Amino acid sequence: GAGVSQSPRYKVTKRGQDVALRCDPISGHVSLYWYRQALGQGPEFLTYFNYEAQQDKSGLPNDRFSAERPEGSISTLTIQRTEQRDSAMYRCASSSGGTYNEQFFGPGTRLTVL
Amino acid sequence: EDQVTQSPEALRLQEGESSSLNCSYTVSGLRGLFWYRQDPGKGPEFLFTLYSAGEEKEKERLKATLTKKESFLHITAPKPEDSATYLCAVQAGDSGYSTLTFGKGTMLLVSP
Repeated sequence: GAGVSQSPRYKVTKRGQDVALRCDPISGHVSLYWYRQALGQGPEFLTYFNYEAQQDKSGLPNDRFSAERPEGSISTLTIQRTEQRDSAMYRCASSSGGTYNEQFFGPGTRLTVL
Repeated sequence: EDQVTQSPEALRLQEGESSSLNCSYTVSGLRGLFWYRQDPGKGPEFLFTLYSAGEEKEKERLKATLTKKESFLHITAPKPEDSATYLCAVQAGDSGYSTLTFGKGTMLLVSP
C-alpha cells in the first residue's frame, strides 16, 4: 500500500480481555516501530523490529505487552489482561532501514479499556 | 537520558504573521533531528531531517535549522492550513540503530 496501515482503528474492550493490534508497514520497509501516544504528548517508544527480529523492547511497560513480526512484514502488538491505564493511541511506524532514515507513521489504533 | 523540550506549547498567529518554534535537546551523540507535523486524529507526517549543526532545510513556508543545542522551525507568512501540532524528535546513540525521542509538540493555530 501507499502508507502504513493499522487495524482496527478503534478498539473498545473490557478490563481483563486480551487485544491484538495490527500494523502493515510500507512495502519494502525493513524497520518497524511501535509507539504509544497520550493526548497532548509526543509518541513514546515501545518496541522496534528489524526484519523479523525484535531488536529493542525496552519501552514495553510490562510483561503484559508483547509484539511479533514473524515474517518481517506485518506486526502485531498484543496486550494481555488489559487495564484501564492501557487506554491510549497506539501508533506504528516503518522506515527503510539503515543508519539515517525517516519513520513514516500509520493512523494509529485508539484503544479504550472500560 | 535523551530529552527534548519544545516551546511554546501553543502558538496563535494571524495569517501572514511569521514566527518560529523551538526545539531544545539534550542527547548523547545526536545522529539526527526530525520535524513532524501532526493533524488532529492523524499520525505524524514527516517534514525534515537535520543531521549536523548549521544545516538548514526548507519546504514551502517552513524552514528548519539546527545548532548544537536546539532546532528552530521557522514559519514564513503562515496560512490557516499550516495549523497543526509540530513535533520534534531526536535520534541518538552509538548502536546500529536508534529510536526517536519526541518532544510534546507545539500546537500552532493560524487564524485568517
